[in-house]
Amino acid sequence: NAGVTQTPKFQVLKTGQSMTLQCAQDMNHEYMSWYRQDPGMGLRLIHYSVGAGITDQGEVPNGYNVSRSTTEDFPLRLLSAAPSQTSVYFCASSFRDSGGYTFGSGTRLTVV
Amino acid sequence: AQSVTQPDIHITVSEGASLELRCNYSYGATPYLFWYVQSPGQGLQLLLKYFSGDTLVQGIKGFEAEFKRSQSSFNLRKPSVHWSDAAEYFCAVGALGNFNKFYFGSGTKLNVKP
Repeated sequence: NAGVTQTPKFQVLKTGQSMTLQCAQDMNHEYMSWYRQDPGMGLRLIHYSVGAGITDQGEVPNGYNVSRSTTEDFPLRLLSAAPSQTSVYFCASSFRDSGGYTFGSGTRLTVV
Repeated sequence: AQSVTQPDIHITVSEGASLELRCNYSYGATPYLFWYVQSPGQGLQLLLKYFSGDTLVQGIKGFEAEFKRSQSSFNLRKPSVHWSDAAEYFCAVGALGNFNKFYFGSGTKLNVKP
């Protein structure tokens, strides 16, 4: 049972480049979310999904896109990377009424 | 506005000593409260959660937390800290039917002295 798998673990981008952070879960969780973690700021919600085909914006959505075509996968796309997007990104999933996220191990992204 | 405050950025305790990490929240609906732990380079792991009922909840690794509605607090405690407890701890608040949108505190980093 893999849980929540994020790839890649590390990535360096140049300003203006685009890329997709992958997230997959094998627990049949309805909810999936993307957070970014910055020093002293805790985790901030970027986008979330309550089921396949349904996504919505969180607290800091600008510069990011998501889609959810299957229950298992929830990729996060950076459209045109900026240094302000340097962060650690976490994907998390949960059952609708459990209230307890399972987190992936994170992707450390640096934009130069 | 929804928010979670963890007043202590860093805490250092001696191994074997007791621990209390503070968490205060502001939330418009009935809060559902969580504590997570993050070891260096890892994702977050759920320690415990409070939904309703007994205000003292037990979690994994010997941790417990007490919900105090009058103080809007959900402090995490452990009677005797082990060196392996050194990590960063996050408090979070959500709502039934809205678990996809959590609000996290900024974290408390725990150091354990031998």
